[in-house]
Amino acid sequence: AQKITQTQPGMFVQEKEAVTLDCTYDTSDQSYGLFWYKQPSSGEMIFLIYQGSYDEQNATEGRYSLNFQKARKSANLVISASQLGDSAMYFCAMSPTGGFKTIFGAGTRLFVKA
Amino acid sequence: SAVISQKPSRDICQRGTSLTIQCQVDSQVTMMFWYRQQPGQSLTLIATANQGSEATYESGFVIDKFPISRPNLTFSTLTVSNMSPEDSSIYLCSTQLSTDTQYFGPGTRLTVL
Repeated sequence: AQKITQTQPGMFVQEKEAVTLDCTYDTSDQSYGLFWYKQPSSGEMIFLIYQGSYDEQNATEGRYSLNFQKARKSANLVISASQLGDSAMYFCAMSPTGGFKTIFGAGTRLFVKA
Repeated sequence: SAVISQKPSRDICQRGTSLTIQCQVDSQVTMMFWYRQQPGQSLTLIATANQGSEATYESGFVIDKFPISRPNLTFSTLTVSNMSPEDSSIYLCSTQLSTDTQYFGPGTRLTVL
């Protein structure tokens, strides 16, 4: 069975510092994709970054990077130079390639302090 | 990318009534997905809606409670029937244009009194 685990219910980070949000996963699929989403208090789900299981390089999108360690089944999100607007809920998710069904972790609430 | 809109954005409903949520995508897509997010919880997939066939429901969700329509490749509706306070959630529709891109609508925030 597939499973996503986010062990940090809440995280605090000082503005302008970097923060790592943890995500581990379990799957028997050989090919899969990993996603990170941001959910502000408005409730919308904002796509941040994607990593394919066969991608050799870690994905990066602006201030977001994904630290993908396949052998350890981890896909941590790194946010550099945190901003006050980064305060939100962050969800890690996984989808089997071609399967189109995505499962989500429990989420981590990030608080950025001024 | 895909632009997804949902109506209504929020609603407050009485117990025992039904609400239909609309989801519109700005391009033709094969599959649309409906998720529920209960307060303080993560997202749970309710069903997958394919055009021209019945929706496929996940374990714990049934058609009588959450009927879904998919009349064309850009539109879908989810009805929450015979509502109770436990149905208070954010309901989100979603589509996946490719394996590496999944987009969500802005969500419908439902409160049942």
